[in-house]
Amino acid sequence: AQTVTQSQPEMSVQEAETVTLSCTYDTSESDYYLFWYKQPPSRQMILVIRQEAYKQQNATENRFSVNFQKAAKSFSLKISDSQLGDAAMYFCAYRRYVGTASKLTFGTGTRLQVTL
Amino acid sequence: NAGVMQNPRHLVRRRGQEARLRCSPMKGHSHVYWYRQLPEEGLKFMVYLQKENIIDESGMPKERFSAEFPKEGPSILRIQQVVRGDSAAYFCASSQDLQGMGAYTFGSGTRLTVV
Repeated sequence: AQTVTQSQPEMSVQEAETVTLSCTYDTSESDYYLFWYKQPPSRQMILVIRQEAYKQQNATENRFSVNFQKAAKSFSLKISDSQLGDAAMYFCAYRRYVGTASKLTFGTGTRLQVTL
Repeated sequence: NAGVMQNPRHLVRRRGQEARLRCSPMKGHSHVYWYRQLPEEGLKFMVYLQKENIIDESGMPKERFSAEFPKEGPSILRIQQVVRGDSAAYFCASSQDLQGMGAYTFGSGTRLTVV
């Protein structure tokens, strides 16, 4: 079974600084998707960024980028120029790449605080 | 194009009552997933449905919980004889196709409180 581990329950970053959230996963599959979701206090799950395992290039979405290390099964999220609105729970998630849609497996989350 | 709609947003039930949670997927989406989030935890998969079919219910408790996605109307997650441990946020997500980038669209969740 696939597992996703987020070892940082809480992180704090000053506004305009950069922070990196860690995620590791365990799988025997060679093709899969990885995601970072943001959950603000409103509870809405918002997709931040996604990565296909067969792509070597790290995904980037504006201030958000990932460091995908397939051999190490590591998928960290870097937030640059942090803003107050980035404060939220961040969840790393894994999904198999198969012919039929399949479930997401989530980590336990990292709570990010952004300070002035 | 409305997103995934869940209702009610908040639901309070007494122990032993039934809870019905509704989810209308995004227009054009025929795949629905239900997840449960306990306080301070990540989302846990419960069930995956396509129209009129349950595809994967490996995360669903064997008793008291059921789900359906009829040909017409929203998907329903039904919890019979609720207990305090059922208190959680229940999220629905939908997707359009079988694979692709497969990033689901989530609803805002239903927070169930059992008193």
